[in-house]
Amino acid sequence: DIVMTQSPTSMSISVGDRVTMNCKASQNVGSNVDWYQQKTGQSPKLLIDKASNRYTGVPDRFTGSGSGTDFTLTISNMQAEDLAVYYCMQSNSYPFTFGSGTKLEIK
Amino acid sequence: QVQLQQSGAELAKPGTSVKLSCKASGYTFTSFYIDWVKQRPGQGLEWIGYIYPGNGGSYYSEKFKGKAAFTADTSSSTAYMLLGSLTPEDSAYYFCARGERGGRGFAYWGQGTLVTVSS
Repeated sequence: DIVMTQSPTSMSISVGDRVTMNCKASQNVGSNVDWYQQKTGQSPKLLIDKASNRYTGVPDRFTGSGSGTDFTLTISNMQAEDLAVYYCMQSNSYPFTFGSGTKLEIK
Repeated sequence: QVQLQQSGAELAKPGTSVKLSCKASGYTFTSFYIDWVKQRPGQGLEWIGYIYPGNGGSYYSEKFKGKAAFTADTSSSTAYMLLGSLTPEDSAYYFCARGERGGRGFAYWGQGTLVTVSS
């Protein structure tokens, strides 16, 4: 199975900060990586698919990049509503696999 | 609009089974995958597998082979997941999601069903 390693595990940030989180695949997954946001008590929400395609309605402060094995999600101008856990997932090959998540907390 | 409505919370005894449902609406049920994801409270997401209602084809992550079984009723646009031989480690939220392939993500999710396994 492909292992998706996310870093950091958690981040303490302030509103207005620029936030960068990473996801590393154990083998080449092309551009087949999604990013999901999950707030407490809610279902995950798709932010980015195909590594860099922002899903409909997602604010443009969310940007995904990368290909191959290294992927990044950047949130520019962090907002309070962005406090959540963020997961990457590879859909290049079965079984699909998620990273362990990056939790954003207020400093 | 696309919706996935999951069945209510389940409390089950060890060794028994539960059948979870995921009723789809707002799109052609047979044209998309239904993927299932497990999340233990306070933990991360784990992909279980999928069923494709268009032809009934399915795939299970190795860890869930023998644990989960997917079915789909196209007449009611409902997907099901049977979880058998329950243990406390099966206590979790289970989400269904509408899947596309070709790198497209899970844009639509059900609200999740909480399964609690306890004697």
